[in-house]
Amino acid sequence: DTEVTQTPKHLVMGMTNKKSLKCEQHMGHRAMYWYKQKAKKPPELMFVYSYEKLSINESVPSRFSPECPNSSLLNLHLHALQPEDSALYLCASSQNRGFDGYTFGSGTRLTVV
Amino acid sequence: QKEVEQNSGPLSVPEGAIASLNCTYSDRGSQSFFWYRQYSGKSPELIMFIYSNGDKEDGRFTAQLNKASQYVSLLIRDSQPSDSATYLCAVNRAGNQFYFGTGTSLTVIP
Repeated sequence: DTEVTQTPKHLVMGMTNKKSLKCEQHMGHRAMYWYKQKAKKPPELMFVYSYEKLSINESVPSRFSPECPNSSLLNLHLHALQPEDSALYLCASSQNRGFDGYTFGSGTRLTVV
Repeated sequence: QKEVEQNSGPLSVPEGAIASLNCTYSDRGSQSFFWYRQYSGKSPELIMFIYSNGDKEDGRFTAQLNKASQYVSLLIRDSQPSDSATYLCAVNRAGNQFYFGTGTSLTVIP
């Protein structure tokens, strides 16, 4: 299994809603990442989990809350988002601290209304 | 200065030609270097990675690294219309931290 699976593929949510994005990998990778990508921009790193511990938080607003329940799963909990948070949210995983590259999931297209 | 810089393009080449994509990076401590391809609305897909100075070839793709000049390039030989995409250069510094360039949009004209 060489895939990173993200659900849902599309999500529309209101500014008062609470929702979660899910990511799963079964490649034995011990690092997992959340990226945010706006149209025609490169992916921007949000969070890094290494061995299920949060190791990097790139000054992301608290309305985004990551969780890593185990080595295969990564969640991103969303609450009180703003329309400018609408973007493609990408999950990725890697072994060997990413020196061999990341494997990205297909992403969740989030629209905040 | 940005961590990773790329010419945003767009770059247009005729089918069958060689496409040349370039990238520079600012941190001399960077350890591994990557080229990702991203089709519109899709997630990035790893094409190649390179650690050592010199060339690395994989099929129609060749990555070139020059650490002294802090320069990475990607050559695509025999370009096909299906190669039309945005190509992202990425650099891994201290581990677990990728920095992406802004991407170069490539169009291969049939």
